[in-house]
Amino acid sequence: AQSVTQLDSQVPVFEEAPVELRCNYSSSVSVYLFWYVQYPNQGLQLLLKYLSGSTLVKGINGFEAEFNKSQTSFHLRKPSVHISDTAEYFCAVRERGSYIPTFGRGTSLIVHP
Amino acid sequence: DGGITQSPKYLFRKEGQNVTLSCEQNLNHDAMYWYRQDPGQGLRLIYYSQIVNDFQKGDIAEGYSVSREKKESFPLTVTSAQKNPTAFYLCASTTGLAVTDTQYFGPGTRLTVL
Repeated sequence: AQSVTQLDSQVPVFEEAPVELRCNYSSSVSVYLFWYVQYPNQGLQLLLKYLSGSTLVKGINGFEAEFNKSQTSFHLRKPSVHISDTAEYFCAVRERGSYIPTFGRGTSLIVHP
Repeated sequence: DGGITQSPKYLFRKEGQNVTLSCEQNLNHDAMYWYRQDPGQGLRLIYYSQIVNDFQKGDIAEGYSVSREKKESFPLTVTSAQKNPTAFYLCASTTGLAVTDTQYFGPGTRLTVL
């Protein structure tokens, strides 16, 4: 069975600093990987996804993530954050052939001025 | 504009009452999902439906019921059997099992039991 671990429940950072949100997964088969963002009292919005091919994936709002198969990780990065990036971020994994993704518990990114 | 709508945005319920949360999509998606979100617990799957008139239980189906009579609609009923229903509920949809499938989410309904 697949599982996802987001290693940090909360990440505080100053504006314009770089940030990395960590995600590790466990699965016995090939997987697809996703990062979503959720602003307060809203639904989830897709930031980026890894399906196959290049391990470096670029998404919206200047975010990128790198798939590392040997370390079973899919960390999310942004070189310079903005106040508006303050939100909850969810990593998700879906096994090939499955309808159902598994979500991590989320990481709260808090950007300070 | 295509998307998923959920109503109401906020819902208050007295203990012992059943309530129904609405989810409608005009994306022509086959699969629809209901999730429950609690602080620090991520998203947990309640029910999902791959086609009309068919649905399956997720990880936390007890105390909930669904129907899928139309492709665009997937209402969730929170029954009085659900012991702790206060939570944020999210509806999602996908086209199906395609490699490029991505879940699209509605804006959510916040249910509070008084």
